[in-house]
Amino acid sequence: DTEVTQTPKHLVMGMTNKKSLKCEQHMGHRAMYWYKQKAKKPPELMFVYSYEKLSINESVPSRFSPECPNSSLLNLHLHALQPEDSALYLCASTRTSGLTDTQYFGPGTRLTVL
Amino acid sequence: AQSVTQPDIHITVSEGASLELRCNYSYGATPYLFWYVQSPGQGLQLLLKYFSGDTLVQGIKGFEAEFKRSQSSFNLRKPSVHWSDAAEYFCAVGPFFGNEKLTFGTGTRLTIIP
Repeated sequence: DTEVTQTPKHLVMGMTNKKSLKCEQHMGHRAMYWYKQKAKKPPELMFVYSYEKLSINESVPSRFSPECPNSSLLNLHLHALQPEDSALYLCASTRTSGLTDTQYFGPGTRLTVL
Repeated sequence: AQSVTQPDIHITVSEGASLELRCNYSYGATPYLFWYVQSPGQGLQLLLKYFSGDTLVQGIKGFEAEFKRSQSSFNLRKPSVHWSDAAEYFCAVGPFFGNEKLTFGTGTRLTIIP
């Protein structure tokens, strides 16, 4: 099984809402990633968790709050987002935290902020 | 700082024709190099990667890439494209040592015509 799942597939939220994105993998991977991808742009790294600890935060605004409850699950909590935060949010995982390992991506959550 | 350039924003190729997508990188040492493919509304899938050794790398789906240090290039090739190859292609570079961050190019959109 080389699958990373993400829920929901689509999410529409207002600027005052609180919502969460969920990412799950059962490959035994110990590093998990959140990326943001705007239309016709490459993915931009947001956060990296390595062995369930936050190892990289790419200066992401605090309205995005990541959480890694266990080694299989990665959440992204959203609060007071802006319309410019509308994007495809991708989750990925690797066996370890090194770049020699293949990053497996989920299909993404398409987020629209009204 | 590392950077990746994909000079071609959009390429159109006839089905059955050969394909070459260009990628140039800028990095002070030997980089890790990757090619990813993304179908519309989907996550990214790794086609191939180069770390060291043989400069001609074979990947999935019949793709190959050649690392040329003298030209700072890592071009992706396929001898005969199929309609299902229509997608966005991203070249990415990562550090030899250090963290998990990939730097992506801006992508090349591939259209296949019958």
